[in-house]
Amino acid sequence: GAVVSQHPSRVICKSGTSVKIECRSLDFQATTMFWYRQFPKKSLMLMATSNEGSKATYEQGVEKDKFLINHASLTLSTLTVTSAHPEDSSFYICSADSGNYEQYFGPGTRLTVT
Amino acid sequence: EDQVTQSPEALRLQEGESSSLNCSYTVSGLRGLFWYRQDPGKGPEFLFTLYSAGEEKEKERLKATLTKKESFLHITAPKPEDSATYLCAVRGGSQGNLIFGKGTKLSVKP
Repeated sequence: GAVVSQHPSRVICKSGTSVKIECRSLDFQATTMFWYRQFPKKSLMLMATSNEGSKATYEQGVEKDKFLINHASLTLSTLTVTSAHPEDSSFYICSADSGNYEQYFGPGTRLTVT
Repeated sequence: EDQVTQSPEALRLQEGESSSLNCSYTVSGLRGLFWYRQDPGKGPEFLFTLYSAGEEKEKERLKATLTKKESFLHITAPKPEDSATYLCAVRGGSQGNLIFGKGTKLSVKP
């Protein structure tokens, strides 16, 4: 149990375009989902906390207008990187809160902006 | 300030050579300490949750223990397939977000 999926696993886009990443909890409902970013050989950096039916809470330094988060249902959260630039290239990982303080992570999405 | 420190940064073992990974933490109001395994290019895989000092959990060759200041991940007779980065995280404080350490990269040579 406690499986989280992400789609796509890899995406390449041109500078200036927008990219949407989906995060789904497959076998449980998640009121809260989280979006992380990970740079090579670095630990995970929390970007935002996504709560179903309400606005996301962004960490300091994360541009909310650039990284749009929507948590429309208890099993789906989306992260849209708007007007992407090469510096947005990274590994994006989502997680879902199972309800007992445990977070289960998705497999990640590798974004490359050319 | 809530903080998680993992040591060593990297650990190389021979197959069968047991060892331990350390996770030291400072957090107000600990709501859980978590161990994850992360393989290159993949998301973290949940291993254990520990909630209170003295608690221990085991899974195959791994055993996690918790004190009021640190946690250990013991690896008994490791195999090459145990090679990965092991991440420690705590949840606590006013916001309750996960706070991650930088990880220990484990390499097990046959």
